[in-house]
Order: sequence, then structure tokens, then C-alpha cells
Amino acid sequence: DAGVTQSPTHLIKTRGQQVTLRCSPKSGHDTVSWYQQALGQGPQFIFQYYEEEERQRGNFPDRFSGHQFPNYSSELNVNALWLGDSALYLCASSLGQGWNTIYFGEGSWLTVV
Amino acid sequence: AQTVTQSQPEMSVQEAETVTLSCTYDTSESDYYLFWYKQPPSRQMILVIRQEAYKQQNATENRFSVNFQKAAKSFSLKISDSQLGDAAMYFCAYRSAGGNQFYFGTGTSLTVIP
Repeated sequence: DAGVTQSPTHLIKTRGQQVTLRCSPKSGHDTVSWYQQALGQGPQFIFQYYEEEERQRGNFPDRFSGHQFPNYSSELNVNALWLGDSALYLCASSLGQGWNTIYFGEGSWLTVV
Repeated sequence: AQTVTQSQPEMSVQEAETVTLSCTYDTSESDYYLFWYKQPPSRQMILVIRQEAYKQQNATENRFSVNFQKAAKSFSLKISDSQLGDAAMYFCAYRSAGGNQFYFGTGTSLTVIP
């Protein structure tokens, strides 16, 4: 049973550039959430996708956008990168929006220089 | 917004001993869920234990148990018979019954001493 998979594992970008991170949910899951985890902090909710639509959004600017595909996989896009966007980006999947347990991937480490 | 506070940035425990990690939260809701997640160096968050707020009985999963005090808004994690593999960051998390997002604390780094 494949768990949540994310790519790439690590990447380095320059300020002002754009980045796309990818996530495949756990088999059987249809809902994907994205979290940002800065160094030494707990994860912070970015947004959640269900039925290919953004259902809920945390306190993140419009530079952060996403997409969910018919196969439930998802992308997180960040435009005009800041140094402060350097973080571990975690994808989590669940079955349905109201499910109270989510499963995380190993994350994508983004460094902005 | 809900907030989750973990006041112990670091804790240590001798192997085979018991340790308790603290967590408090702030909410005006009556129906919600609480979680403890473990994050080892691999960075993957792993669910340790879950508690439904409407249940009075404290959740238990093998060596892991919680002390849920709803009135005090406290949710501590007890690890019994600590093992070297328990060394990790532990995050307390909250999710309202009607919401989709999880709110996490800042974590407690647990060291297990052989």
C-alpha cells in the first residue's frame, strides 16, 4: 500500500523564482492538504483540495496556489519566492474532508537563496 | 483561531523509563479532536494517538497513553517503557469537528538516553 509520496525531496531556488511541488495521496484517499513547516516550528496549514477544488485556506498569500488532478494528486505552486518561504512543505492525504486522521508524506525541502 | 501550546521544547528520558509530554490548547468549541504526531529525522509525521473530545475515556495505544482534561484544555502524552526508537520531535495537534485544518504546536524534542 503506497503511502503519501512527494517530489522533489530537496530543491534550491533563487528569490523571485517560482516552484512547483508535487504530491500523490495514499491509495484510496481523495483529499489533499498542504502544510508549511519552518525550521523549529510546527506545520502550518496552507490549503486543502477536495474534488479538484480548494476547500479551505490558511493564512497564506495568493502567491501560494494549488491544483488537484482527477487522479487526486496535487501540486503546490509558489510564485515570487521570498527567503522566508524556505521550509519543509508537507503534503497530507485523507479520505473525505471530515476524516479526522491524515497521513503525511516525507515532505519537500525548499531552500530559497 | 485555535492555538496549541507545547511548553517543553526539549525533554529527555532514560531507556525503559516513563516520560510525559505536555500540551495545552485554546478553543471555544465543544466538539473537536486532539492528536499526537511523531516526527523522526526522516521528517515524516506519524500519528501516535488520537482522542475525540466527546469521549471521557483517555486513549491508549500500546505504550502510549494520554491524559485528556477537557475543562483544563490539557492533553498530555505519556510514553511508558521508553525505547531508543521513540526519540523524535512530538507535535500536539488540534482539529475542530467541523473543520478541515489541523493546528499544531511548536513541538517537543524527545531524547532517549541508553
